Amino acid sequence: QSVLTQPPSVSGAPGQRVTISCTGSSSNIGANYDVHWYQQLPGTAPKLLIYGNNNRPSGVSGRFSGSKSGTSASLAITGLQAEDEADYYCQSYDRSLSASVFGGGTKLTVL
Amino acid sequence: EVQLVQSGAEVKKPGESLKISCESSGHSSTTYWIGWVRQMPGKGLEWMGIIYPGDSDTIYSPSFQGLVTISADRSTRTAYLQWTSLKASDTAMYYCGFAAYSSIGSFDYWGQGTLVTVSP
Repeated sequence: QSVLTQPPSVSGAPGQRVTISCTGSSSNIGANYDVHWYQQLPGTAPKLLIYGNNNRPSGVSGRFSGSKSGTSASLAITGLQAEDEADYYCQSYDRSLSASVFGGGTKLTVL
Repeated sequence: EVQLVQSGAEVKKPGESLKISCESSGHSSTTYWIGWVRQMPGKGLEWMGIIYPGDSDTIYSPSFQGLVTISADRSTRTAYLQWTSLKASDTAMYYCGFAAYSSIGSFDYWGQGTLVTVSP
């Protein structure tokens, strides 16, 4: 059981907008530590999608955006495409553990 | 661009030792961290630990402290993950990640993964 909680799965139709939540606590997200998001396509290594809560690395589509509020963060994907079907993970630092942690991951299905 | 190349897949027996590697290239800065992430079959990502090759400062997740050793060779820009006595439960894909600025930052680049299989 991760200290960062994500929904196991979300789904949406092509063109729709979906959000994936990442709920933490006062020892991680709520302590103002940055949240990062990764996309893992089937059978491949993870790829950085969002860093520092809401920043996109060069080359990442503008359809992906991140936000943070209180003890939670969210990843939003607009204009859903079949190629977005993947697992998504949030990451942050936890001061109680003195280590970084990943969320449990969310499987996105494009209907 | 930064590239991380990991060593090849390994098949080991319980009780055996193992050291896998992750070589970085394409970056001029000596200020970076290399972390290790475990992904057990069909499961999520687990942050294991991270090392600063500049001075070998290492941080472990409590879940992995004492179970593995992370090391690095600054001169060859290679990081290592080591076990002294493997268990079947160590069977997993192991990824290394490159963090440009901070031990608590994002992994900006990832290796291709090393599959470790531990079976009698």
